[in-house]
Amino acid sequence: DAGVTQSPTHLIKTRGQHVTLRCSPISGHKSVSWYQQVLGQGPQFIFQYYEKEERGRGNFPDRFSARQFPNYSSELNVNALLLGDSALYLCASSLAEGAVGELFFGEGSRLTVL
Amino acid sequence: GENVEQHPSTLSVQEGDSAVIKCTYSDSASNYFPWYKQELGKGPQLIIDIRSNVGEKKDQRIAVTLNKTAKHFSLHITETQPEDSAVYFCAAKGRAGGFKTIFGAGTRLFVKA
Repeated sequence: DAGVTQSPTHLIKTRGQHVTLRCSPISGHKSVSWYQQVLGQGPQFIFQYYEKEERGRGNFPDRFSARQFPNYSSELNVNALLLGDSALYLCASSLAEGAVGELFFGEGSRLTVL
Repeated sequence: GENVEQHPSTLSVQEGDSAVIKCTYSDSASNYFPWYKQELGKGPQLIIDIRSNVGEKKDQRIAVTLNKTAKHFSLHITETQPEDSAVYFCAAKGRAGGFKTIFGAGTRLFVKA
């Protein structure tokens, strides 16, 4: 079975541009979460979606937005990119949104902002 | 909101020795505590987890302990091997935090052969 897939794997943008990152969850998983991982730090929660509805938002500015599609895939959009947005963006899927449950991570999209 | 602190940030051990990583959490309502291992160029992968109604759980060379009163949990790796070298993250999750999984800052483990 395919795991969580993310695209693109690497990308370079310049300040002020926008970026769209994509994620396909494991088949049957209805919940998708997005995390930002800056080099040397732990993943920071950005968004969680379940059944196409936003279920949680982390402490990120409104430049960050996301959505989940009917097939449970998801997009993360970041507008007006800043140098500090350079990071590994991880998508994770899980069966449901409950308190107990493993997150399955993709290998991430590494964004470099110049 | 939930805050998870993890220590140490770097840990170097000799092959065959034990490694211990410690975490504390702030939200007493958290009830699920997973540990993830991240290898270079990959996403984190769950290695063991523990629920709040259990004090200890073991899986081969890996064990996790939980002290809910102290809001403290630890990962123990025995008989370490070079392939255990990676970054390890503790995390906490619960209803009060909106079911968000909150991660610690990570521990980089080096196992010297």
